[in-house]
Amino acid sequence: AQSVTQLDSQVPVFEEAPVELRCNYSSSVSVYLFWYVQYPNQGLQLLLKYLSGSTLVESINGFEAEFNKSQTSFHLRKPSVHISDTAEYFCAVSSSGAGSYQLTFGKGTKLSVIP
Amino acid sequence: DAGVTQSPTHLIKTRGQQVTLRCSPKSGHDTVSWYQQALGQGPQFIFQYYEEEERQRGNFPDRFSGHQFPNYSSELNVNALLLGDSALYLCASSLRTSGGAGDTQYFGPGTRLTVL
Repeated sequence: AQSVTQLDSQVPVFEEAPVELRCNYSSSVSVYLFWYVQYPNQGLQLLLKYLSGSTLVESINGFEAEFNKSQTSFHLRKPSVHISDTAEYFCAVSSSGAGSYQLTFGKGTKLSVIP
Repeated sequence: DAGVTQSPTHLIKTRGQQVTLRCSPKSGHDTVSWYQQALGQGPQFIFQYYEEEERQRGNFPDRFSGHQFPNYSSELNVNALLLGDSALYLCASSLRTSGGAGDTQYFGPGTRLTVL
C-alpha cells in the first residue's frame, strides 16, 4: 500500500517571498511522484512529475520539486510567489510496478499569497 | 483541442436514489479514471477503465460501478446513494503508454454531487 502525507494544510506567504510545500510518501515499491494544482471550482492540473532520471524536476511556471528517496520526500518549492499562485496543491504517488495505475493523493495544502 | 469534459456540473439527489455521471476524455486518450473528492480531502481513486474493461479498482463498494464505451467516453454509476456520497467526482483521462502508472492523467472540472 502507498500513502502520501502533506505536512501543512494551509500555508500563507507574502507575495514575492519563497515557499516550500512539503510532501512525504510511503511505499514498499518504486514510485512515480506528482504535484497537481487545483484552482477554486476547477479540476486538477498537473504541475510537474518525477518518473526517473534527474531528481530535480521543474515546471514551466517557476515551481520545482526534488525527489529524495532516502527521506521519501518530494517537496515543492518556488523562489518567488505571485498572487496567481493562490490555490490548493496536491501531492500524489503511484506505484511503478506492473498492474498498478491509481494515483494516491495527499489531503492538499492551501497556498494563500498575501499582497 | 477539447480537454476532459464532465456532465452534469452539479447534481442534487436524495438518499436511496441512483445517479449517473458522464465523462468525455481528452482527444486521443484511451483510458479513463474516476476519483471522489470529499470536502477538504484529496481525491480518492474509484476505478480505471481501459479497452472497455475495469482495469483497477480502489476501496469503494459495489454500489459504485462504471462503464467505458467504444469511443472511450465513460460513465460512473452510484446506486443506493448515501449522505456520505456527497462529493466532487473527478474524471481523468490518459493515453496508455509503456509507462503505465506514470502516464499523465488530465482531469476534468468535476461533477458536484449533493445527497440530501
